[in-house]
Amino acid sequence: GESVGLHLPTLSVQEGDNSIINCAYSNSASDYFIWYKQESGKGPQFIIDIRSNMDKRQGQRVTVLLNKTVKHLSLQIAATQPGDSAVYFCAENHPRGNKLVFGAGTILRVKS
Amino acid sequence: GAVVSQHPSRVICKSGTSVKIECRSLDFQATTMFWYRQFPKQSLMLMATSNEGSKATYEQGVEKDKFLINHASLTLSTLTVTSAHPEDSSFYICSAREGASGGRANEQFFGPGTRLTVL
Repeated sequence: GESVGLHLPTLSVQEGDNSIINCAYSNSASDYFIWYKQESGKGPQFIIDIRSNMDKRQGQRVTVLLNKTVKHLSLQIAATQPGDSAVYFCAENHPRGNKLVFGAGTILRVKS
Repeated sequence: GAVVSQHPSRVICKSGTSVKIECRSLDFQATTMFWYRQFPKQSLMLMATSNEGSKATYEQGVEKDKFLINHASLTLSTLTVTSAHPEDSSFYICSAREGASGGRANEQFFGPGTRLTVL
């Protein structure tokens, strides 16, 4: 179901370190998953996606891992930079209705 | 490519008035557009899905008579918040999906959002 949180979890990392942001999704029938980055006052920005027939996908400095057994998704950011500071949301595509359901979000803070 | 715009970016209105927000796909035709609402420090909540030329499908708990959605063309959808009240103050975000086959079939492109403040 939909995720709503009044207190988003925060991940603080040192600049240059790797970041791992986790997400639990709700529907085992979801067939497509996306990670978004949202900066304050802006709309979500696509980072990377993965289909349910894959368990790993790599982009530039980012990797998404999908574990369908436990309905878990993670985003790994290599060599985290101050510009990576934002709120990160995972989203799952529900086949029924073909719509996205967003996770609660994680605040990433990068310390210089 | 795949740019979605929203207008206005922010609006302040008095309680009881109506506000219209526009969502445009600038360089592609969007067969489906989505409207989301986001309260501070919360996630995006889907309000409704609209397909060009047909009535919008509203999520449970979203009043269709209060949030009027029109998707009259393949590049424009509008959300009208009728008789707005302070509790409607929120960040409204639209997205558009091209509806192409293959890899981009599910991809949604998001607008920059509209900040609505109702006094």
